[in-house]
Amino acid sequence: GAGVSQSPSNKVTEKGKDVELRCDPISGHTALYWYRQSLGQGLEFLIYFQGNSAPDKSGLPSDRFSAERTGGSVSTLTIQRTQQEDSAVYLCASSLQTGKNIQYFGAGTRLSVL
Amino acid sequence: AQTVTQSQPEMSVQEAETVTLSCTYDTSESDYYLFWYKQPPSRQMILVIRQEAYKQQNATENRFSVNFQKAAKSFSLKISDSQLGDAAMYFCAYRSAIGTASKLTFGTGTRLQVTL
Repeated sequence: GAGVSQSPSNKVTEKGKDVELRCDPISGHTALYWYRQSLGQGLEFLIYFQGNSAPDKSGLPSDRFSAERTGGSVSTLTIQRTQQEDSAVYLCASSLQTGKNIQYFGAGTRLSVL
Repeated sequence: AQTVTQSQPEMSVQEAETVTLSCTYDTSESDYYLFWYKQPPSRQMILVIRQEAYKQQNATENRFSVNFQKAAKSFSLKISDSQLGDAAMYFCAYRSAIGTASKLTFGTGTRLQVTL
């Protein structure tokens, strides 16, 4: 089927506003990951979901960041009270299961905080 | 914690020539996976090649091959017969094979330019 879908493709917001980023994984993929790519940097892990297990939130940079995954499919990453340092590309990936299966990435959401 | 280092911020290669991108990593684990991902301007990360640490044979995918040196913790990517479409950012990544720690740890990337 279709690949990992992310929306919006680009988001411009004002400092202090809340934003929601959406990720629609590949159908049947039980694992879902969020990464952040700041300008000129590699990808930084944020959070991952695997089936009904508790998510691994160890990469979230502050309590302004949260994510949920409803019905084991679509995920939303929420950033509250955005700051300029939150400006980055947010990438979502999914895989069939943890272990050796490959992570497939979406095209990301470019977030610009003015 | 694992770290991945790519010491070449930019590389350039002429079309049809061969180029090697370097990657080193640090880990205390014995079982893990290594990846090279390509990121074109479209931003979507595309898997180029994958290596399983317990396999001594170097992975190959068409024009792409790796030189995996486990003792040296080195994982370089060789691109043969370079094409204009190979121009992109290339990221080296590590993933543990232990338990559920399946997140990818990335290097900072190498920008590859392909010239005529």
